[in-house]
This record gives sequence, structure tokens and C-alpha cells, in this order.
Amino acid sequence: DARVTQTPRDKVTEMGQEVTMRCQPILGHNTVFWYRQTMMQGLELLAYFRNRAPLDDSGMPKDRFSAEMPDATLATLKIQPSEPRDSAVYFCASGLWGRGYTFGSGTRLTVV
Amino acid sequence: AQTVTQSQPEMSVQEAETVTLSCTYDTSESDYYLFWYKQPPSRQMILVIRQEAYKQQNATENRFSVNFQKAAKSFSLKISDSQLGDAAMYFCAYRSALDTGTASKLTFGTGTRLQVTL
Repeated sequence: DARVTQTPRDKVTEMGQEVTMRCQPILGHNTVFWYRQTMMQGLELLAYFRNRAPLDDSGMPKDRFSAEMPDATLATLKIQPSEPRDSAVYFCASGLWGRGYTFGSGTRLTVV
Repeated sequence: AQTVTQSQPEMSVQEAETVTLSCTYDTSESDYYLFWYKQPPSRQMILVIRQEAYKQQNATENRFSVNFQKAAKSFSLKISDSQLGDAAMYFCAYRSALDTGTASKLTFGTGTRLQVTL
């Protein structure tokens, strides 16, 4: 089965450090999402791309978060500088319009 | 804006029994999609079942079926012959059928944790 690949699976970093999370969407999928999951807020949409173009990143703190799709096989989410409140599981999902979306296994980020 | 509500934070079911998880949503749109996702302890989000709002027939996938009541804006998930492997968080999600701008994002409920006991 085709899958969305996210790396790293787990990341522990110190406050103030830069963190980059990567996602390889399923080949042929033209829509890519980044979601963040926390106990308090549940699943929140951070950003999403259609045909590699950013459509919405209103869920991201702009001063520290950035999301890009340098090519169709790679989406990145970067946090600089990281803060303890950024600790969460970050999911990437890809799909085609009209279909369900396939999620990756997530990156668990812990900022200490 | 659309909202999705799951009013049962936790549910429990005995193995081989049937359980129903509730979900309601609010929207002014007439065409949309509804989903149930399962998140086991491995944290992988797995699509369980999908329903198109324009279809009156309820979706089924093996032991999983939905009761879609469009007028009531209700979308419950029924799990038959429950198995230990069904233990997980279950999320209900909504997506507009529009393909413009931010419309195609998924809006999730807060989830229901399902326990399966022997």
C-alpha cells in the first residue's frame, strides 16, 4: 500500500533550536496538509498545499513556523526558534480532491 | 465555519459486541464528505470509512458501518463484532465538497476513546 512517510518519527530538542520535519506524500497526490495534535487543542490545521502552492497557512504562528514544498516529493515544516509549547505530534497528510486523505505516522516533537 | 462534535470522550465495549460512536456536525453546505478515522496507540491516523453527503445509502466497510442522517446532521459509526484491535481513538471529520481555497481541509471532532474488553 502507498504511504505517507514522515521523518523523524520522534524528536527531542532544546528550546531555541531549529526543528525541521519532513514529509514524503504519496506519488500523484496533489494536496498536502500539515496538522498538529495536542491533548488540549486536538487536531489543528497548520498549513496546506495544492499542487505545491500554499493555499492556507493561517493556522501557523508566522513568526516561527514555515512550511514549504520544494518539489512534489517533499514537504517540510520548520520551527525556528522552537518553544516548549510547540511540543506535539505533527502529522502530514496527502490526498486527491474528493477522496479521503492518507496520514503519515507523525513526528512527535518534544521541546525541553 | 463548520464544526464537528463528538460528545462521548470514552466508550467501552466487550469483545464480539456492537458499539456505536456518535458524531454531529454543523454546516450550511449541502454537499460535503464525512469520515471516520481511527488512531491506535501507534498514533497512525487510519481512514475507516467515508460518506458522501449526496448519497442516501449508508457506507459500510466490513464490520464498520455508518448511520448518516443528513437532516439531523448526524454521522454515527457502528462497529460490529468488536475486536481487541479496534481499541483506539476514533475521530469524526468533515470536508466540504467545494474545491476552492481552504474548503478542502478536514475539520475534526475531539475524538472518542474506545476500549475493548474481554
